[in-house]
Amino acid sequence: QQQVKQSPQSLIVQKGGISIINCAYENTAFDYFPWYQQFPGKGPALLIAIRPDVSEKKEGRFTISFNKSAKQFSLHIMDSQPGDSATYFCAASNGVGNTDKLIFGTGTRLQVFP
Amino acid sequence: EAGVTQSPTHLIKTRGQQATLRCSPISGHTSVYWYQQALGLGLQFLLWYDEGEERNRGNFPPRFSGRQFPNYSSELNVNALELEDSALYLCASSLGRENTEAFFGQGTRLTVV
Repeated sequence: QQQVKQSPQSLIVQKGGISIINCAYENTAFDYFPWYQQFPGKGPALLIAIRPDVSEKKEGRFTISFNKSAKQFSLHIMDSQPGDSATYFCAASNGVGNTDKLIFGTGTRLQVFP
Repeated sequence: EAGVTQSPTHLIKTRGQQATLRCSPISGHTSVYWYQQALGLGLQFLLWYDEGEERNRGNFPPRFSGRQFPNYSSELNVNALELEDSALYLCASSLGRENTEAFFGQGTRLTVV
């Protein structure tokens, strides 16, 4: 019940295309859903996050869609660029600052080709 | 402003040895978190220190331990190393618990041979 399932494991997208990464969770107590971006040799960095009171949050080319009834959330990267090539992790927790409670997905390696 | 710094970047140990990993948080941050990122797995929470005290630990055996110093830097110690301990160990720091984002360091790649 504590798992966050992430798919796909890897994704190859043409420059300008849309990248979509999906996550599903079981624990209905989760109320904070962040996405992290990790470049090779770097630690993960918070990209965008959503609370369950909204169904969508957009920041630039990055959008989180949230479906509370299905217990699913997804990251959409519009107009994907080669610089977006990285590993993306979804996560979930109960509470924004509960870093020790974050449950991470297994990651999606995104490659964007010119 | 310097970010979270970890040392060493890479560490190679033999099975049965002990490893010590170090983390310096962002200036002003009092909370330090340790995570293990094994190949093909997401980040697994190890330990959380705040104001010098261990506040929480993840589902790892006792040979994973650590401490936080008065300057808020932290050490992660792994005793009796096993091959399965090979992973990227990430440290993160935050201002505290309530509604604050944690920032990650670049990690220490531990290889056990």
